Amino acid sequence: QVQLQESGPGLLRPSETLSLTCDVSGASMRLYYLTWFRQSPGRELQWIGYIYFSGYNKYNASLKSRVSMSVDSSQTKFSLRLTSLTVADTAVYYCARRRLGESKFDPWGRGTLVTV
Amino acid sequence: FVLSQPPSVSVAPGRTARITCGGSDIENVHWYRQGPGQAPLLVLYDDIHRPSGIPERFSGSNSGNAATLTIATVEAGDEADYYCQVWDPKNDHPVFGGGTKLTVL
Repeated sequence: QVQLQESGPGLLRPSETLSLTCDVSGASMRLYYLTWFRQSPGRELQWIGYIYFSGYNKYNASLKSRVSMSVDSSQTKFSLRLTSLTVADTAVYYCARRRLGESKFDPWGRGTLVTV
Repeated sequence: FVLSQPPSVSVAPGRTARITCGGSDIENVHWYRQGPGQAPLLVLYDDIHRPSGIPERFSGSNSGNAATLTIATVEAGDEADYYCQVWDPKNDHPVFGGGTKLTVL
């Protein structure tokens, strides 16, 4: 069964750049999008953006100037980069899978806490 | 797209919990359960369908302006935050409700 696992630094300083990785195992990501979310302590889920296995991506307009996503050639390692961090970027970051043509997210990674 | 959920719902063990998700012309509503310190877990998709492994106690409905997640015979383990989600086709991204904290009394 497919599993997603986020990894990255847990503590960063303001103005630094966040780099997270989502490792996918157990299934191919062909025909799937990898989506990044974050959730602040207030519990609201925020969509950051998504990337297709081919590299096509779309970002949340509110973060677009600071976000970039990529996928490696094996299509098992998806990366998120968020620049110019502020305290407001403190959150648990999740990756989740969505199939082409569908709108549900399943499964999700366990999440990784990032504190700025 | 704005999805409205009640911040909290409380129910006694063994009773039925109903969590609503209000919106305008919403369709294909998905529901996620998020326990403390856990990632969201899909419990219903496309309004009424249960993923493999989700108990039959979980069911859903959608009138177009409000979707409802119904949890029958509530157990202590059902205590969690529940989120509804739809897709915004105009802007091509997901939209989530604010979440409902289910408390089992």
